[in-house]
Amino acid sequence: KNQVEQSPQSLIILEGKNCTLQCNYTVSPFSNLRWYKQDTGRGPVSLTIMTFSENTKSNGRYTATLDADTKQSSLHITASQLSDSASYICVVSAQTGANNLFFGTGTRLTVIP
Amino acid sequence: GAVVSQHPSRVICKSGTSVKIECRSLDFQATTMFWYRQFPKQSLMLMATSNEGSKATYEQGVEKDKFLINHASLTLSTLTVTSAHPEDSSFYICSARDRGNHSPLHFGNGTRLTVT
Repeated sequence: KNQVEQSPQSLIILEGKNCTLQCNYTVSPFSNLRWYKQDTGRGPVSLTIMTFSENTKSNGRYTATLDADTKQSSLHITASQLSDSASYICVVSAQTGANNLFFGTGTRLTVIP
Repeated sequence: GAVVSQHPSRVICKSGTSVKIECRSLDFQATTMFWYRQFPKQSLMLMATSNEGSKATYEQGVEKDKFLINHASLTLSTLTVTSAHPEDSSFYICSARDRGNHSPLHFGNGTRLTVT
């Protein structure tokens, strides 16, 4: 069964600190993995996309990693800011199937001053 | 970049009435759009796939007669919640791809529906 699991469910950190969010998946055959940021009451916005051959990719203070062998991805946020408070959703695409997208339940990050 | 516009952003309606939500792709054509529902502190749940010029494909457990989807053009899909009840109160989000099945999804900003 194709599934995407994220941990932790929620996280509270102090402004300026770093944090790492995890995403484990069983989607097969794997196509790509995307991390989205969703601010409260808004639609998700893409942060990074990882394909099978990519191990790490950065977008400003966000760095995503992918281990296709263990089917794990992480999103590392450096020097957190208050505006990083949001839900972070991991979405995995399969290569085949009419509905080929599988959503994680998200990690709710709260950055406090 | 590609933009998806969703309207309205918030709507309050009385039980028994119908509400229409629009999803537009502003700078690209989308043969397929997706509609999601999101409950508080939960992730997105796919409700249906909207196909331009043909019937929508609904996920298991989603009532097609209650959630009417129309995709009349390559830039517009609408979701109509018919005979709304308080339990239909939720956050509804649409998304679209501007190319093939493996191009990124662009999401609308969602519609907060409250049924009183």
